[in-house]
Amino acid sequence: GAVVSQHPSRVICKSGTSVKIECRSLDFQATTMFWYRQFPKQSLMLMATSNEGSKATYEQGVEKDKFLINHASLTLSTLTVTSAHPEDSSFYICSAIEVPEAFFGQGTRLTVV
Amino acid sequence: DAKTTQPPSMDCAEGRAANLPCNHSTISGNEYVYWYRQIHSQGPQYIIHGLKNNETNEMASLIITEDRKSSTLILPHATLRDTAVYYCIVRYSSASKIIFGSGTRLSIRP
Repeated sequence: GAVVSQHPSRVICKSGTSVKIECRSLDFQATTMFWYRQFPKQSLMLMATSNEGSKATYEQGVEKDKFLINHASLTLSTLTVTSAHPEDSSFYICSAIEVPEAFFGQGTRLTVV
Repeated sequence: DAKTTQPPSMDCAEGRAANLPCNHSTISGNEYVYWYRQIHSQGPQYIIHGLKNNETNEMASLIITEDRKSSTLILPHATLRDTAVYYCIVRYSSASKIIFGSGTRLSIRP
């Protein structure tokens, strides 16, 4: 089946720095990708929809200036957490759809110290 | 998208069938029922989906009631590797975004 690759799988950064997470669809083209955040023992929360060649659509309450999304090609979307703080520590997951299924990356565990 | 209701947790003996229920009483006629699961610290994995008819694949079976207000995911012979959180989701189309509810945490006991 289709594969979505997410990198890095784990990252530790210092407060105030920025972190970039990559999401790639390996064997299909994805005009739309989705970014989720998941806190321990909670469900996945949709942050934004990433659209190739246009601006991302953010869910209510998600700061677009803090979570920068770029979808420059049909196989790559990136999420940059800017000026990271400890409360941004979470599990970030991307998803891409190859109809009719949605495929998910393996997730990125971000720890901000 | 219609909301779903699932029990927060269930357990099942290894080798037995695991039957996971889901209520989606406000589902509309063109909404699909999808099931995903998430094993600890991994991304969700697609299991199965359906519109009206029952569906079966190599992983599971999906039984949708005639009024489409509820469904059941069946794992025919549960193994320890089936321990995960299972999410039942309804979506207008296969290309639309996926909104996750709280899911059912399934534990398989040896």
